[in-house]
Amino acid sequence: SQQGEEDPQALSIQEGENATMNCSYKTSINNLQWYRQNSGRGLVHLILIRSNEREKHSGRLRVTLDTSKKSSSLLITASRAADTASYFCATVSSGGSYIPTFGRGTSLIVHP
Amino acid sequence: GAGVSQSPSNKVTEKGKDVELRCDPISGHTALYWYRQSLGQGLEFLIYFQGNSAPDKSGLPSDRFSAERTGGSVSTLTIQRTQQEDSAVYLCASSFNLGTGNEKLFFGSGTQLSVL
Repeated sequence: SQQGEEDPQALSIQEGENATMNCSYKTSINNLQWYRQNSGRGLVHLILIRSNEREKHSGRLRVTLDTSKKSSSLLITASRAADTASYFCATVSSGGSYIPTFGRGTSLIVHP
Repeated sequence: GAGVSQSPSNKVTEKGKDVELRCDPISGHTALYWYRQSLGQGLEFLIYFQGNSAPDKSGLPSDRFSAERTGGSVSTLTIQRTQQEDSAVYLCASSFNLGTGNEKLFFGSGTQLSVL
């Protein structure tokens, strides 16, 4: 079963705009991770945010975590055509087996 | 190697045949994971290894699926008597360790399995 669910399922924007993707989950987590997938193949890790953290930055990426709402968001600022990909959140439950559980992903298209 | 290596990258087989998918993790990574991704879907967890042990096999879809890992390195996922619903991309990932829960996964490029 999938723990995290991304929203929206698909997002289409123009280059230079910001893209925001959301992830909601059900159970308490140890951490939440965001991954990127190009062309339906291997995933690349972007950011890990721990349950006691509220915000993290990496370059043009900003991730927030609200454990009271059981939700996270990924913001990509000043998007580029090369950001076109699918983005997945993965949750690691607290007190569990530490296996990351992935959502269905958000498909982002950035038009040049 | 520098990254997680999976082979073959593509596999077309006939319904009822057995297939073996191979994963070579990053050297030194003790944890290894198998996921399955159907077209346009999220990743479905199948099984993980800590060293050569697979503590939890409950993610495997049926008894036609099995996996092993030898020498704490290479893993093979075997699907017996393949069915059309087995068609998917099979992704392997590895990480340094599993116990901390703060490990990021490194993924291979996957094996696209097509069962005709």
